[in-house]
Amino acid sequence: DQQVKQNSPSLSVQEGRISILNCDYTNSMFDYFLWYKKYPAEGPTFLISISSIKDKNEDGRFTVFLNKSAKHLSLHIVPSQPGDSAVYFCAASASTRAGANNLFFGTGTRLTVIP
Amino acid sequence: DVKVTQSSRYLVKRTGEKVFLECVQDMDHENMFWYRQDPGLGLRLIYFSYDVKMKEKGDIPEGYSVSREKKERFSLILESASTNQTSMYLCASSPTGYYGNEQYFGPGTRLTVT
Repeated sequence: DQQVKQNSPSLSVQEGRISILNCDYTNSMFDYFLWYKKYPAEGPTFLISISSIKDKNEDGRFTVFLNKSAKHLSLHIVPSQPGDSAVYFCAASASTRAGANNLFFGTGTRLTVIP
Repeated sequence: DVKVTQSSRYLVKRTGEKVFLECVQDMDHENMFWYRQDPGLGLRLIYFSYDVKMKEKGDIPEGYSVSREKKERFSLILESASTNQTSMYLCASSPTGYYGNEQYFGPGTRLTVT
């Protein structure tokens, strides 16, 4: 049972435009959310995170928005660059037990930024 | 910089072989994880460990075992490799903390079982 869902397997965007990647979750215990970026033949790298006490977090060109009532988060990349072309994974965790901090990952969205 | 290294980038094994995948982290992290990544399925947790000699099953532990004898090293063992274990295997580590600490990933091992 997939607790974190990324319903768009792929997205293509022109360079300079905004990329919006979406993620939905079902577990109301999740209170911390992360986005990872993955290039082929490399491990995922952490991009940006947000805790449930916020509804927005920005880091340069990347902004994550959280809508708790809708159990939805999105990653905005503005402006998009060809180097942003990668697979993006959404992940969530529940801080109910200290120590393990398991992450639940979505299935990923492949972003292609067209020059 | 956190560094997580995996023993091999590419591995080809035969059906029925015993396979060892090694992972080492240099940041004194308590938690370590093994995932596999398959197209359309995302990252699925196989096993994790939050302390030396401790291990817990993830979502898909069947056909795998793990070993954590030292804090920095977490090994994944395929007791008898099968073709459906052909996949990208990713190791990760994270520090202990109450609140959703990010995990740091190694480069991955692409395992092909023939």
